[in-house]
Amino acid sequence: EVQLLESGGGLVQPGGSLRLSCAASGFTFNNYAMSWVRQAPGKGLEWVSGISGSGGMTFYAGSVKGRFTISRDNSKNTLFMQMNSLRAEDTAVYYCAKDPIGKRYSGTYANWGQGTLVTVSS
Amino acid sequence: DIQMTQSPSSLSASVGDRVTITCRASQSISNYLNWYQQKPGKAPKLLISVASSLQSGVPSRFRGSGSGTDFTLTISSLQPEDFATYYCQESYNTPPNTFGQGTRLEIK
Repeated sequence: EVQLLESGGGLVQPGGSLRLSCAASGFTFNNYAMSWVRQAPGKGLEWVSGISGSGGMTFYAGSVKGRFTISRDNSKNTLFMQMNSLRAEDTAVYYCAKDPIGKRYSGTYANWGQGTLVTVSS
Repeated sequence: DIQMTQSPSSLSASVGDRVTITCRASQSISNYLNWYQQKPGKAPKLLISVASSLQSGVPSRFRGSGSGTDFTLTISSLQPEDFATYYCQESYNTPPNTFGQGTRLEIK
């Protein structure tokens, strides 16, 4: 069974940094692209970032490009998101999601974690 | 970026009703359209991919159709567990892969 468990969320001041993790199990991690998708309180879904199975290709939404960095450690079956220069508008539940197809990013999210809440506030 | 517009934004219906949610893309996306269901406090769940391919375990009362710019999600006979928010999302070409704004399906 695919399991994705996010951690690392919390309260941070504007301009601060946070590192999210997503521990994966139940599948061969390096065979699948992964993504982060966020949801601001009471709002819809917003794709944030994606990474290929090897980690060699990364993609970012314009709203986070240059501030967020996605990475993965395939030896530890873990996905990361380093978030710097955080803003109030980054406040959201952050979900990690698994691609259904394979190593190449497809833009479809077949399995999701339970999410971790990031709150940016002074 | 491709824009995705869902209608209606909210919908009230009764158990047993047939409901249809529409999704329109700002440009042709072939059949690269996914539908997700999200219940309050839970993660989204992929229901349908590539416009009409039902995911394993999803009841057959859910049906997706369409191609190009216009798509629909139909639930043939609403069940109590179907009351949720539904999102369409395009997976055409490179990121960003945009979501629609969501359709909240409520009990009448």
